[in-house]
Amino acid sequence: QKEVEQDPGPLSVPEGAIVSLNCTYSNSAFQYFMWYRQYSRKGPELLMYTYSSGNKEDGRFTAQVDKSSKYISLFIRDSQPSDSATYLCARASYNTDKLIFGTGTRLQVFP
Amino acid sequence: NAGVTQTPKFQVLKTGQSMTLQCAQDMNHNSMYWYRQDPGMGLRLIYYSASEGTTDKGEVPNGYNVSRLNKREFSLRLESAAPSQTSVYFCASSETEANYGYTFGSGTRLTVV
Repeated sequence: QKEVEQDPGPLSVPEGAIVSLNCTYSNSAFQYFMWYRQYSRKGPELLMYTYSSGNKEDGRFTAQVDKSSKYISLFIRDSQPSDSATYLCARASYNTDKLIFGTGTRLQVFP
Repeated sequence: NAGVTQTPKFQVLKTGQSMTLQCAQDMNHNSMYWYRQDPGMGLRLIYYSASEGTTDKGEVPNGYNVSRLNKREFSLRLESAAPSQTSVYFCASSETEANYGYTFGSGTRLTVV
């Protein structure tokens, strides 16, 4: 079992839709969780990070961590075609403190 | 501000050839990383350098070597390339190894034939 699991998609939604992207993880010791966005043929860029449980909001983006169910979510409100990208969740490994990434979910927002 | 610069952007190698991927950052970051990205596998850590003068293995180090030349530069070497090393390679850096806001380069697309 991979330490972080993501549905690879693609997830295709119309412009203006609310998008929900999800990850599950296997080790409850993790405390730091991140979402990275990767445009085609580019490197990942940090979108949001959260510490422990709860929500964190930044503009149209909300990151949510539910440690009891080991579930990480990213919500995008009023999605735009420019949000079309692959979204990678990541968490800090309790062993090495290095980021471990999920496989990514490809999102397509069509006009 | 260039951030993390990787060279080359594209490379085709024959099996058994060697090459070095170069990475440089201009953000005065202490920690640097090499990842490879493959379809269905996500980003996997090859090697990292927590600080200048130190390097450690990541999840998939076999077939690779690294050099932290100075604080700015971290190179990845393939001594004898194999088709299984066909991948997109990303270099990243962070202020410290406990800072998880990694800055990534734009990647090197390597094909081994």
